[in-house]
Amino acid sequence: GQNIDQPTEMTATEGAIVQINCTYQTSGFNGLFWYQQHAGEAPTFLSYNVLDGLEEKGRFSSFLSRSKGYSYLLLKELQMKDSASYLCASGDTGFQKLVFGTGTRLLVSP
Amino acid sequence: SQTIHQWPATLVQPVGSPLSLECTVEGTSNPNLYWYRQAAGRGLQLLFYSVGIGQISSEVPQNLSASRPQDRQFILSSKKLLLSDSGFYLCAWSMEREYYNEQFFGPGTRLTVL
Repeated sequence: GQNIDQPTEMTATEGAIVQINCTYQTSGFNGLFWYQQHAGEAPTFLSYNVLDGLEEKGRFSSFLSRSKGYSYLLLKELQMKDSASYLCASGDTGFQKLVFGTGTRLLVSP
Repeated sequence: SQTIHQWPATLVQPVGSPLSLECTVEGTSNPNLYWYRQAAGRGLQLLFYSVGIGQISSEVPQNLSASRPQDRQFILSSKKLLLSDSGFYLCAWSMEREYYNEQFFGPGTRLTVL
């Protein structure tokens, strides 16, 4: 079966660090994606992990542990514009399908 | 560079009316194409995907259908809309690669069925 779990909502303060966790159980695995989606807009790609470890990209980093079926997205030096939903998605083998979680809505306050 | 277009941006339709949403991709050939629906406060649900012209796979049973008449054109249709069809419809594309299948999303169509 396919199952992706992430918290529904998180709050944080401008300038702080926040970690958004994601656990996955999928029949096949072809990498873990993180997307950002501002309200009313389309998702945009943030990061991709296929090997265990940390991938850093500016203020955003993403971590993967395949043995634990676990990933997190780390956002540093939070800005107001980071208020958005963050979607975790597992890449399915066989065909290029992505299985999406329901998303974590992050609210950054001043 | 590649771009993906969707129209219309918003649509209000009465129950029982037909639907046609169009998606086109520019700057690439033979892309994989996808239709998703996102209901209010919910995640992305994959509706259909296509690996080539005329090839459509359905993920969930519903009163919607999809067609791919040309390589870079993907159409979502319904003969009779239901209230439950309301939502944010997103088209996406990806390249055919074995290990990296990042999907790129269009701007979406917000459909309200009254």
